[in-house]
Amino acid sequence: GNSVTQMEGPVTLSEEAFLTINCTYTATGYPSLFWYVQYPGEGLQLLLKATKADDKGSNKGFEATYRKETTSFHLEKGSVQVSDSAVYFCALHGSSNTGKLIFGQGTTLQVKP
Amino acid sequence: DSGVTQTPKHLITATGQRVTLRCSPRSGDLSVYWYQQSLDQGLQFLIQYYNGEERAKGNILERFSAQQFPDLHSELNLSSLELGDSALYFCASRAHTSGRDNEQFFGPGTRLTVL
Repeated sequence: GNSVTQMEGPVTLSEEAFLTINCTYTATGYPSLFWYVQYPGEGLQLLLKATKADDKGSNKGFEATYRKETTSFHLEKGSVQVSDSAVYFCALHGSSNTGKLIFGQGTTLQVKP
Repeated sequence: DSGVTQTPKHLITATGQRVTLRCSPRSGDLSVYWYQQSLDQGLQFLIQYYNGEERAKGNILERFSAQQFPDLHSELNLSSLELGDSALYFCASRAHTSGRDNEQFFGPGTRLTVL
């Protein structure tokens, strides 16, 4: 079945450091890929998405490229801020019509001033 | 603000009890999804409704049930509660418009604590 694997956290960085959170997936067909962010005490917010191979999703300085050859969708940001501290979830929506999301286990990011 | 509302925000109850969680989707969204977030299982899909009808089931226990009403709000009913049911329960609604068809918008969640 479909699945998503994320790098384990927590990830601790200093402000202005470069961020990479790895995400790989297993899926049949051509899934859509997403990154969601969960700030402390809040629900999930869609950060970015990509719906086909080689698409790049971007938002708020974050980027991720849909790589079908490596089945990956790594999240990157060139310079993190303290306000980026949150839990990041990689997710996929498969080819079925239900639209259910399959999530990775989440990666906690802590950015220190 | 995603436009999805969930009540209550917190719920504390005892084992063996029954609770109802409520969700109102974004205006115009026909699909409602329920997810459970727990420390050991992560974020898991429970069930989906589309315009009042059950569309898909995930890892939902038989003690749990849901429904979607004509005004499109949804309720998740959890009965014979066990300690292990303590979790954050999210509702999400889905945009079925061109270009945003796969996006789901999440509510703030209901934190259930079973004592």
